[in-house]
This record gives sequence, structure tokens and C-alpha cells, in this order.
Amino acid sequence: GAVVSQHPSRVICKSGTSVKIECRSLDFQATTMFWYRQFPKKSLMLMATSNEGSKATYEQGVEKDKFLINHASLTLSTLTVTSAHPEDSSFYICSARDLPGSDYGYTFGSGTRLTVV
Amino acid sequence: AQSVTQLDSHVSVSEGTPVLLRCNYSSSYSPSLFWYVQHPNKGLQLLLKYTSAATLVKGINGFEAEFKKSETSFHLTKPSAHMSDAAEYFCVVSLKGGATNKLIFGTGTLLAVQP
Repeated sequence: GAVVSQHPSRVICKSGTSVKIECRSLDFQATTMFWYRQFPKKSLMLMATSNEGSKATYEQGVEKDKFLINHASLTLSTLTVTSAHPEDSSFYICSARDLPGSDYGYTFGSGTRLTVV
Repeated sequence: AQSVTQLDSHVSVSEGTPVLLRCNYSSSYSPSLFWYVQHPNKGLQLLLKYTSAATLVKGINGFEAEFKKSETSFHLTKPSAHMSDAAEYFCVVSLKGGATNKLIFGTGTLLAVQP
């Protein structure tokens, strides 16, 4: 089946630095990738949707200059948390879909636990 | 607007007894609905999905869900709980918008299984 690899699984960084999270579709081409944020004991909040080769679409309230998303190829999307602060600490999960406009084929990565100290 | 409501934030059952996790949806058209499971500090695994085919959907690990339009419900059930079923469960609806469908997550139900 479809596999999405998310890396790193855990990262600790100092306040003010930037962190990049990678999301790769291993055996399919992901036309669309989604980035979610999950607060402790909370549901997943969609941050942005990215289509290969175009700018990401951010959800209301998500700072696009802080959370940079790049979807340069059909198998790779990256989320960069710039100038991270402790309030950015969270669990970030990516999801990839291979069929445009379809409800099939959503595959999730295993998540990245970001801790900003 | 599409949304889902998970009626219970916590459910506790004994091993070997039935599981019922409730979900109600709101949608202006026939929705696509999903149940996902998340184990601690892990990603999400798809249990099952409804996309306007059979109303009774069978998923992995013995779970199933029934789409009831009259009740706008999509409850998740399992006849006999196993210790390994302890996890967070999310009911999800697909928000259709052109070529990019978005998934809207419920608030989750934490299932505890007692020995």
C-alpha cells in the first residue's frame, strides 16, 4: 500500500532557530500534500494544502511566513518552522493524496514531535 | 458547512466487550466519511471509509461503521474489544472543494480498554 515517510520523528531546537520537516511519498506520486498540527489531547488542525509546483494554500490564522511549505516534486513536501518559539512546540503530521479531487488515497506520515526550548 | 461531532471524548470498555464510538456529521450533500485511529505519538491509520457505496462499511481489525442518513450518524463499532484497540479515534468528513478535498477532523475519542 501507499507509504508516506515523515522525517524527523522528533526534533528539539533552540528558540529562534528554524526547523525543516520532510514528508515523502515512497511508492506513489502525491499531487496534493496536507500539513496538520496537533496540540496535546486535541484534534488535528489543517495548516495548509500544497499542490506540486504551486504555492501552498494556508488555512485562516496560519502564518505563511512562519510556516514555509515547499512542494517541489511529486514525492516531497517540506514544512519549515522559521524562528521557532516554545509556542510552536507541537506534533506535526503530513498527509499525501495521489488522486486529485478524490476521497481515496489519503495516507498519513507518522508525525514529527517538535520541541522548542 | 461540513463538520463532524464526536459525542464522547473518552470511552472505557472491558476487554472482550463491544465497542461503540459515536459520530454525527453535518453536510449539505452526501459526504465521504472516515474513521482513523492514532496510537500515542504515532501517525494516523485509516480504519475504514464510506464514499456512497454500501452503508455498512467493514474496516480493519474487526471494526465496522454504518452510515445512517436519517440519523446523520456514522458510529464505529467492534463486537469484542482487544487491549491493542486502546488509542485515539477520529471521525473525519471530507470537505469537497474543487480539485482539493480537505479532511475535517472530529475532536477525537480516547478509547481505554480495561483487562
